Amino acid sequence: EVQLVQSGAEVKKPGESLKISCKVSGYSFISYWLGWVRQMPGKGLEWMGIIYPADSDTRYSPSFQGQVTISADKSISTAYLQWSSLKASDTALYYCARPGVGAVHGFDLWGQGTMVTVSS
Amino acid sequence: SYELTQPPSVSVSPGQTARITCSGDALPKQYVYWYQQRPGQAPVQVIYKDNERPSGIPERFSGSSSGTTVTLTISGVQAEDEADYYCQSADSSGTYGVFGGGTKLTVL
Repeated sequence: EVQLVQSGAEVKKPGESLKISCKVSGYSFISYWLGWVRQMPGKGLEWMGIIYPADSDTRYSPSFQGQVTISADKSISTAYLQWSSLKASDTALYYCARPGVGAVHGFDLWGQGTMVTVSS
Repeated sequence: SYELTQPPSVSVSPGQTARITCSGDALPKQYVYWYQQRPGQAPVQVIYKDNERPSGIPERFSGSSSGTTVTLTISGVQAEDEADYYCQSADSSGTYGVFGGGTKLTVL
């Protein structure tokens, strides 16, 4: 089955680091871009960035450049989203999502989401 | 940075036609994608590449474009179509993506 399975919910304190994951199964990990989308509580979707696992080409939204790091491990078909120093404003639901074949944009497959709560 | 503009809300009665617009300067150059998100669920793509419908999406969903505005049309709206709808596209160079602010569709 083609699916994206994300890591579980996280509760962190401000200033802590975090790395959440998105494991791919059912298709060739290196053949598709993989992106991350933020949804703050009660708010809309925000495009964060995207990575091409074959060569680690990564693109970020200007709003998220320098705030997060997207990476991928081809050996285990897993993509990551990480923070070096969390803020309360990072509290949100984070989705990984895959564009269609040959596409950079337009997500046709979504993970279940990872809830990140940052609170002192 | 680049922005897409959607109306915050649209209301229609069952059986009527709902039209949700999305405006952005780069839309003539970049494809638009539309997503439906029901409460507590991950988004689902309902239109890709401006006007293509993914497998499994009802025919009542369609997309169109005119200049810097694109439109998601839902014909014969059903109660199950009540959800938030988001457009998505890319900046003029195609480097990064962007979502519209979302439109809440209410079926009266």
